[in-house]
Amino acid sequence: DVKVTQSSRYLVKRTGEKVFLECVQDMDHENMFWYRQDPGLGLRLIYFSYDVKMKEKGDIPEGYSVSREKKERFSLILESASTNQTSMYLCASSLSQGYYGYTFGSGTRLTVV
Amino acid sequence: QKEVEQNSGPLSVPEGAIASLNCTYSDRGSQSFFWYRQYSGKSPELIMFIYSNGDKEDGRFTAQLNKASQYVSLLIRDSQPSDSATYLCALQGGKLIFGQGTELSVKP
Repeated sequence: DVKVTQSSRYLVKRTGEKVFLECVQDMDHENMFWYRQDPGLGLRLIYFSYDVKMKEKGDIPEGYSVSREKKERFSLILESASTNQTSMYLCASSLSQGYYGYTFGSGTRLTVV
Repeated sequence: QKEVEQNSGPLSVPEGAIASLNCTYSDRGSQSFFWYRQYSGKSPELIMFIYSNGDKEDGRFTAQLNKASQYVSLLIRDSQPSDSATYLCALQGGKLIFGQGTELSVKP
């Protein structure tokens, strides 16, 4: 069964900290994505990657960066956490571009205090 | 900018009824469409996808696509309280573009 694993379910960090959110998929998928989800705002795409070492900005990349050193792992980095980055973060992967849906991880609920 | 519009709801239906969830989209060239279900506090899970005009059935779920009118819908027959969730419509535009989701509440 297809699996996308996010390293933490709940995380509490302090303002100004550098935060790493890890995502690993075991399906040999080409594409990986990071979203945040907030009430009333829906799913918003932060960054995505169609290949190893490749990254593309999504709709709201400010304050975030990503790393994809290996095909199966896609990390989201909050360079200096702020309270407005308190959110549910969802990682997803898909086989390739085209007619494929996404498989989501279970999410990380990040609280920045 | 491709857009996907859904009524936010909540849509409330009695147990056993048919729930109808609708989605419209702006890009006439869109080819593939997906329905995700998201329970409160959980991540979205794929329940249906449709590429061709017409109906596609899977158990109690039927997805309907009308490319000429640019809408896609999801029908849930014999609705159960366990169907209570937010349903997200998405279209494939290079990457998936999600609607805001419709909250469905099925009352016993």
